[in-house]
Amino acid sequence: EAGVAQSPRYKIIEKRQSVAFWCNPISGHATLYWYQQILGQGPKLLIQFQNNGVVDDSQLPKDRFSAERLKGVDSTLKIQPAKLEDSAVYLCASSPGRVGTYEQYFGPGTRLTVT
Amino acid sequence: KNQVEQSPQSLIILEGKNCTLQCNYTVSPFSNLRWYKQDTGRGPVSLTIMTFSENTKSNGRYTATLDADTKQSSLHITASQLSDSASYICVVSEFGNEKLTFGTGTRLTIIP
Repeated sequence: EAGVAQSPRYKIIEKRQSVAFWCNPISGHATLYWYQQILGQGPKLLIQFQNNGVVDDSQLPKDRFSAERLKGVDSTLKIQPAKLEDSAVYLCASSPGRVGTYEQYFGPGTRLTVT
Repeated sequence: KNQVEQSPQSLIILEGKNCTLQCNYTVSPFSNLRWYKQDTGRGPVSLTIMTFSENTKSNGRYTATLDADTKQSSLHITASQLSDSASYICVVSEFGNEKLTFGTGTRLTIIP
C-alpha cells in the first residue's frame, strides 16, 4: 500500500513570497489533515478535510493560508505571503475516516524555510 | 484548555538499556491516546492506540500503559536499539469531536 505522498520535500523562499505544497493521501482515505510542526514542537493542526469538505480550520491563519481538496483526493496548502515565522515542516496525514481509533498515516513532510 | 505534557524533554541512554517516557494530559472527555515515533526528517508513525478501557498495549519492544483516572500514560522501551533514536510524541483524542492534542515530544538518543 502506497503511503501519503508530499511534494516538494524542501522549499526555501523569501518573506512575502508565495508557496504551495501538495499532498496525495492513501487511496480511499476520506479524511485528510495538514499540520504545521515548528522545530522542537509537536504538530499543530491547520485544517482537516472530510472528503472535500472542511471539518476544522480553526487554527488556520486565513489571512495568509488557504487549502483545498479537489474531488476529495489530492490537496494543496498555500501560503501567501509568507512570513519568517512560517518556517516549519508541513505534514500531511490521512485516515480512513474521522479520527476515532482509526490509524492516522503521515507523509514525510515539506520543510519550508522563509528567509 | 486541553494540554498534553511529556517528560523528559530529552533522554540519552546506552544501547541495550530500558527507558520509560511519560505523558500527562488534561484532555476531557477522553477518547483515546496514541504514541507516535518520529524519526528525524520523517513524519510520525503510530506505535499504539489505547482507548479508555485499555491499560496496557504492546508493539514489539514498545509497551504503553494508560491510567485514565490519573490521566497519565507511559511508553516503555525494552532493550533499546540505535534505531530507537527518535522523538516520541503522545497524542490524546477528545471524545465527540475527535480533536487531537499533541504533546511536544521526548527526544530519545541511544548511544552505542
